[in-house]
This record gives sequence, C-alpha cells and structure tokens, in this order.
Amino acid sequence: GAGVSQSPSNKVTEKGKDVELRCDPISGHTALYWYRQRLGQGLEFLIYFQGNSAPDKSGLPSDRFSAERTGESVSTLTIQRTQQEDSAVYLCASSLRTGGNGNQPQHFGDGTRLSIL
Amino acid sequence: QKEVEQNSGPLSVPEGAIASLNCTYSDRGSQSFFWYRQYSGKSPELIMSIYSNGDKEDGRFTAQLNKASQYVSLLIRDSQPSDSATYLCAVNTGFQKLVFGTGTRLLVSP
Repeated sequence: GAGVSQSPSNKVTEKGKDVELRCDPISGHTALYWYRQRLGQGLEFLIYFQGNSAPDKSGLPSDRFSAERTGESVSTLTIQRTQQEDSAVYLCASSLRTGGNGNQPQHFGDGTRLSIL
Repeated sequence: QKEVEQNSGPLSVPEGAIASLNCTYSDRGSQSFFWYRQYSGKSPELIMSIYSNGDKEDGRFTAQLNKASQYVSLLIRDSQPSDSATYLCAVNTGFQKLVFGTGTRLLVSP
C-alpha cells in the first residue's frame, strides 16, 4: 500500500517568509509525528498527534512553529517568519494507535528539504 | 545524560564481517526499542523492533535487548557494502513518542 507522503519534497524560500509542509499518513494510522533533522544530526521530535486527542507540542522550538491535523488525515506543519536556522529536512512519520508501551513502529515519509536563503 | 546514546562512528568493517552496533538508554521504564537504517539523503527505514529481553533475528540482522543493563544492540552478519548507512536506535520512553539516538555511521568496505 501507499506509504507516508510528504510535499513538497524540496522548498527554497527567503528568510521571513511563511512555509507550509504537508504530510499524508498511511491509511489507518492514527498516530502522526513531525521531526526535524538538521544536516548531519539526529532526529529532533517536534509534535505528535494521536486521533482526536490533544497533540503533544512539547518539541516545537518556538511559537513560529505550528501544526494541525484534522481527525486521522492530513497534517500540515507551518513555520512563520522563517529563519536560516530553520533549514533542515522535516520528516513526518505515522503509526497505528500506540498502546501504553508504545509498541507500534513509526514509518517515515521521504521528508521535505527546507532551505532558507 | 542523553536519553538514548550511540557512538557516532564511523564503524568500519570489511565485507563479510559482523557489524555490531550498540545503544544505551537512560529510562528504565522503556518498553519498546527500534532500529532504523538511514541512507545519506534518505528517510529512516525500520529494520527491527524488539520488546523483550534476549535476541530477535531477522535474516542477517539480530537485535539484542538487555533491560537490566539498559542496552540494545544490532548485529549485522555477512556485512555488505550496501549496508553502509547510519543506524538509528529509537526508544519509546512511555510517553508514546520515540526518542532517537544520533546514529552510528557504518562503513562496509569491499
């Protein structure tokens, strides 16, 4: 079946502009995650959605970052007033509903490579 | 102390050898553990998951978990140049999100 789909695959924009990144999870996956990966570094958790529960926003680095998800469908990550430090690959992952032990593996999309000039 | 620690490497092994990748974690309550492979410029790809102490084998890959020592490892037998990648250890700390290590870069030379 189709995997996690992210768009755009690449985005180049000028400092100060707003950008919107999209993630379409695997059908039936209720959990959706956003991560940031800077060049040569590990994955940095940003935000987590599970069904209609309140999202875990604990990883968002500043109030310029926000994300939405309606139900169990598409999610958008918005970065306002972009800064050069926002340049990174933004990865989305989805999984089946996670139980108390978090035993559902996450499956990643190909990411959006964001470059701020 | 970082929640999930890995040696950044690179770990260099000759083709056909066993590559051993290690990961330690700090939260004793962690119950789910995953290994991902990430090729340069690509997204992470799930290789193995392990939830119980002991070994779990899948083809050339074996994951080992020791909860008492808070240690999880990945063995790759008969390493191939195509195994050259960064291997990410991920641990679920009970808050329904994964904490990733920074990854170990593996280089398999022909």
